[in-house]
Parts: sequence; C-alpha cells; structure tokens
Amino acid sequence: GDSVTQMEGPVTLSEEAFLTINCTYTATGYPSLFWYVQYPGEGLQLLLKATKADDKGSNKGFEATYRKETTSFHLEKGSVQVSDSAVYFCALSAKQGAQKLVFGQGTRLTINP
Amino acid sequence: NAGVMQNPRHLVRRRGQEARLRCSPMKGHSHVYWYRQLPEEGLKFMVYLQKENIIDESGMPKERFSAEFPKEGPSILRIQQVVRGDSAAYFCASSPYRGDTEAFFGQGTRLTVV
Repeated sequence: GDSVTQMEGPVTLSEEAFLTINCTYTATGYPSLFWYVQYPGEGLQLLLKATKADDKGSNKGFEATYRKETTSFHLEKGSVQVSDSAVYFCALSAKQGAQKLVFGQGTRLTINP
Repeated sequence: NAGVMQNPRHLVRRRGQEARLRCSPMKGHSHVYWYRQLPEEGLKFMVYLQKENIIDESGMPKERFSAEFPKEGPSILRIQQVVRGDSAAYFCASSPYRGDTEAFFGQGTRLTVV
C-alpha cells in the first residue's frame, strides 16, 4: 500500500539556519503530495502542496519539489525562525481517493534563538 | 467563515464508557474525514463520510467504533466500551467536494481513557 517515510526527529536548529526535512513516498499511480504543520495544541494546517511531477510548492519561505524519479518531496527553508518550531508532516493522497491522506510519522522541529 | 469545529477539545473516559466526538465542518463543506493520531505518531485515516453516507471506512476498527454524518448537525465519531489503547488525538477534516485536494483540519479532540 501507499506509505510516507519522513526524516527521524527531533530536529533542533539555531535561528537563521538552513532547514531540510526529508520525505520519501511509495505509491501506485501519481499521488498529490503535501506538507502539513502542527503547532503546539493545534490542528494541522496545510503548509504547501504539489499535484504533479516537478511542481514546486511554496509558502511562508518553505519550499518542496515533487521529484518523481526519486519519489521524494523534501521540505526546505533557507532561514528558520523561532516561530517555525512545530511538528511537520509529509502526506500523500492518491488521485482516485483525493482526501484519504497517508501521513508520515512527523518531524518535531525546535528552533533556538 | 468559521473553521472546522471539534468538541470537546479534551475528553476523559473510564474504561468501558462511551466516547462521542463531534465535528462541525466548514460552512459549505459536505465531506468529512476522521483521523487518529497516537502519541508520537502520524495521523492514520479512519473514515470518510459524505452527508448521510459512509464512503470509505477502511481505517475504522471493526468493533466498538462507528461514525455518522447526518443530514442536519455535526459528524459524530462514537467509541463504545473504551479501552486504554483508544487514548489518542482524533482529528476531523472537511472539504467542499470530493475532488478538492485540500482538506481543512479541526483542532482535534484529545481522548484520555483512565
């Protein structure tokens, strides 16, 4: 079945550091790919998405590119802030079941000032 | 336009009791999805409902769990005879139509079974 594997956490960085959180997937067909962010005590918010190969999703300085050849969707940000501290989830949805999301296990990110 | 509303935010039940979790989707959304998040894990799909219909319940445990989304009122996830292993955060998401690629999540209900 479909699955998502994320970089193990927790990840701790200093403010203004470069961030990469790795995400690879296994899926039949051509899934849509997502990054969600969960701030403490809150629900998930969609951070960015890409629906086809080579698409780049971007939002709030975060970027991720849909790489079909490596089945990856790594999240990157050039300069992180303390307010980026949260748990980040990579997810996919198969085209035929648009909203049945399959999530990775999440990566907890802590940014120190 | 209010977001997806879940209540209660926190629910404590003793083993053997029933838990009822409610989800009011965003205005205009007729598709609801329930997910369960166990401690330190990602979310796992449970069930997908449209008004008055269960579309996909492949992630629901076969016993004790049920879900509904009536014509009027919120969607309900019901857990009968709760056990400690049911302790988790339960999230609801909604979307306006099946083909939409974005679902909006509620803040979740954290169920603790003592």
